Amino acid sequence: QKEVEQNSGPLSVPEGAIASLNCTYSDRGSQSFFWYRQYSGKSPELIMSIYSNGDKEDGRFTAQLNKASQYVSLLIRDSQPSDSATYLCAVNKNAGNMLTFGGGTRLMVKP
Amino acid sequence: DAGVTQSPTHLIKTRGQQVTLRCSPKSGHDTVSWYQQALGQGPQFIFQYYEEEERQRGNFPDRFSGHQFPNYSSELNVNALLLGDSALYLCASSLRGDEQYFGPGTRLTVT
Repeated sequence: QKEVEQNSGPLSVPEGAIASLNCTYSDRGSQSFFWYRQYSGKSPELIMSIYSNGDKEDGRFTAQLNKASQYVSLLIRDSQPSDSATYLCAVNKNAGNMLTFGGGTRLMVKP
Repeated sequence: DAGVTQSPTHLIKTRGQQVTLRCSPKSGHDTVSWYQQALGQGPQFIFQYYEEEERQRGNFPDRFSGHQFPNYSSELNVNALLLGDSALYLCASSLRGDEQYFGPGTRLTVT
């Protein structure tokens, strides 16, 4: 079992729809959770961090964390073609240390 | 405010050679982490430097070594290059290892 798992996709949604990206992790002691966006040929860009159970909203993005189910998700509202990218879920098992990444989910937003 | 910078952008080396990659962290950050990202995969943690010491290391051989300087910049050295070392090498900076921000990366090709 991989430590951080994501569906590789591609996930295809129409413009204006809600895109839902999911991630599960295996280590119950994980403390911090991050979503990165990576455009083709570019480096990952941090878009959301979440540390406690529940929802965290930032603009069109909402991160959701459920530690009991070891599940973290990212919702993108009003999806735009410019949101088309690979979204990486990352987990920090110990505060301040290494990030463990999933393989990423490729999102395609069609006009 | 300058973000994370890395040099060089691209590098082509021959099997068996040695390479040094450089990273300058974002202003105000004191921790540098290095990751290797193979095509189509999530980044893999190599090691992290804080206060000029290697604080944590991932599952990489001793051929991979690093250094952090008093100004918080960092180098990644890889000896005896193998074809499998071809990847995007990412530097991420953070304040004491919290939210990590990536530089543009160095694309290493080993022939």
